[in-house]
Amino acid sequence: NAGVTQTPKFRILKIGQSMTLQCTQDMNHNYMYWYRQDPGMGLKLIYYSVGAGITDKGEVPNGYNVSRSTTEDFPLRLELAAPSQTSVYFCASSRQDQETQYFGPGTRLLVL
Amino acid sequence: KQEVTQIPAALSVPEGENLVLNCSFTDSAIYNLQWFRQDPGKGLTSLLLIQSSQREQTSGRLNASLDKSSGRSTLYIAASQPGDSATYLCAVYNTNAGKSTFGDGTTLTVKP
Repeated sequence: NAGVTQTPKFRILKIGQSMTLQCTQDMNHNYMYWYRQDPGMGLKLIYYSVGAGITDKGEVPNGYNVSRSTTEDFPLRLELAAPSQTSVYFCASSRQDQETQYFGPGTRLLVL
Repeated sequence: KQEVTQIPAALSVPEGENLVLNCSFTDSAIYNLQWFRQDPGKGLTSLLLIQSSQREQTSGRLNASLDKSSGRSTLYIAASQPGDSATYLCAVYNTNAGKSTFGDGTTLTVKP
């Protein structure tokens, strides 16, 4: 049982480039989340999804987009990367919104 | 807006000591509170989840308590070991907000 997987593990982007962070879960969870974690800080919610075809903004959505075409996958798209988006990005999933969240290993992104 | 504070930001103790980590939150209308462990460069692992109707939860050497009225939770670690060294984050789930709010974490170092 792989749980939540994320790719890539690390990426360097130039300012203005775009990329997609991949997230897949195999637990048949309805809820999926994208967080960012800046050094020494907690997690801030970027976007979340309550099921396939349904997404909603979190606390810090600007500069990002998401889609949820299947239950398993929840990719995060960065358009026009900026240095402020340098961070570690975590994907998580849960069966219901108030239940335990299971986290992926994270993607470390550096924008130069 | 819910705010979650964890004090201290860092803690260093000798092996074998019992210790308490603190988490405080401003909005007491929570559904549950969760404690996570994060190892360097890794994702978050759920340790304990306390429902708002519960006072405490235990797992092995860990005991988490919740005082909703005062907006506080503590994580008690008994007989600490070097393997307990990690960052510990708490997260509170507010039903009205439909999301979890994370603290910035306490980084624990247990010295042999």
